[in-house]
Amino acid sequence: GAGVSQSPSNKVTEKGKDVELRCDPISGHTALYWYRQSLGQGLEFLIYFQGNSAPDKSGLPSDRFSAERTGGSVSTLTIQRTQQEDSAVYLCASRLAVASYNEQFFGPGTRLTVL
Amino acid sequence: AQSVTQLDSQVPVFEEAPVELRCNYSSSVSVYLFWYVQYPNQGLQLLLKYLSGSTLVESINGFEAEFNKSQTSFHLRKPSVHISDTAEYFCAVSLLNSGNTPLVFGKGTRLSVIA
Repeated sequence: GAGVSQSPSNKVTEKGKDVELRCDPISGHTALYWYRQSLGQGLEFLIYFQGNSAPDKSGLPSDRFSAERTGGSVSTLTIQRTQQEDSAVYLCASRLAVASYNEQFFGPGTRLTVL
Repeated sequence: AQSVTQLDSQVPVFEEAPVELRCNYSSSVSVYLFWYVQYPNQGLQLLLKYLSGSTLVESINGFEAEFNKSQTSFHLRKPSVHISDTAEYFCAVSLLNSGNTPLVFGKGTRLSVIA
């Protein structure tokens, strides 16, 4: 597609359940990033993928969070045993890696609400 | 490590008045600088960027930002705001020539334009 897409746009779940959030990057973009936007906290980096390299997971807040990227394209962020503090908007971004500067294109986000 | 401080969490301003959204950053190395805008219920969009060259950069909708290395600032300005400028604005940095590194964001400034 023309831009980064994410699904679902909204997800409401109960505490303790697992959730999967999906990101489809812009075609041809080899770098993919996940960020979390919490109320009053701005955006915090979670994880990023670059081609076939091992992902940088340094931003994941706990081992309940994991992500994978299949075939160098679609990515799934999984949160296990969700907690109320996981409620946030999860944003995905992709980037054309050959660009010399770090312009990232963002998707509309998935709003996660944990009850 | 880099950090970004946006000094104002909320800025109300009357229509057609000027506005300045402040951004200061901290980094031991040179950085690229960005302003992103998030309109209500939409994803982040790149508003403008400073990579090199002229320290004054402009967007297509009348915003401008000036890179001040001595003050480590990248304040965003517009001489006359419109209702449609109501949005959240995020300042961000990334390492120079390290295109794959994640963006480091400030916590955002919510601009509310009052008719």
